[in-house]
Amino acid sequence: AQKVTQTQTSISVMEKTTVTMDCVYETRDSSYFLFWYKQTASGEIVFLIRQDSYKKENATEGHYSLNFQKPKSSIGLIITATQIEDSAVYFCAMREIYDTNAYKVIFGKGTHLHVLP
Amino acid sequence: EAAVTQSPRNKVTVTGGNVTLSCRQTNSHNYMYWYRQDTGHGLRLIHYSYGAGNLQIGDVPDGYKATRTTQEDFFLLLELASPSQTSLYFCASSPRDNSGNTLYFGEGSRLIVV
Repeated sequence: AQKVTQTQTSISVMEKTTVTMDCVYETRDSSYFLFWYKQTASGEIVFLIRQDSYKKENATEGHYSLNFQKPKSSIGLIITATQIEDSAVYFCAMREIYDTNAYKVIFGKGTHLHVLP
Repeated sequence: EAAVTQSPRNKVTVTGGNVTLSCRQTNSHNYMYWYRQDTGHGLRLIHYSYGAGNLQIGDVPDGYKATRTTQEDFFLLLELASPSQTSLYFCASSPRDNSGNTLYFGEGSRLIVV
């Protein structure tokens, strides 16, 4: 079955350090997209960063970057120089093509990041 | 900026009641999605659509109907609400382009079934 798995329920780090959040996925598609989203304490969910499966380079966006290991079906999110405002729930997601035109986006269970002062 | 608006934001209903959650997007996006969020389960896909009149079944569709009346509007219907449907519901839209279906989320609708 196609799925997205985040095994880390909660992580605590000190401010200004680097944190990596893990995500593994299963898919039968040869081409797919992987995403990370952030849910703030207010409940707002926003897109952070995307990796296209056919690209070998790891995506970067500000202080977010990805560690894409295709042979391991792994897409880790790296946040450098963490800030208190990075405290949130982070979701890994994958787009799969269920049928022609039917692009399904599924999510992992999320990792709650606590950045401590 | 992408805009997805959900209503109502909060709703309390009784078991067996009829509930409609509404979602409107002004992004001219093709795709719209309904998710539910529950502690320990993350975001689970209920239904989605790639255009007016289209409906695709998600991963947790039981007890839910949905209808996409226009490109802008996507409705989630609970015709016989049950306490297990108490949840936080999110609507999202996405374009069909090179973004790979990046999602833009609404603010969420909290439903309590008593």
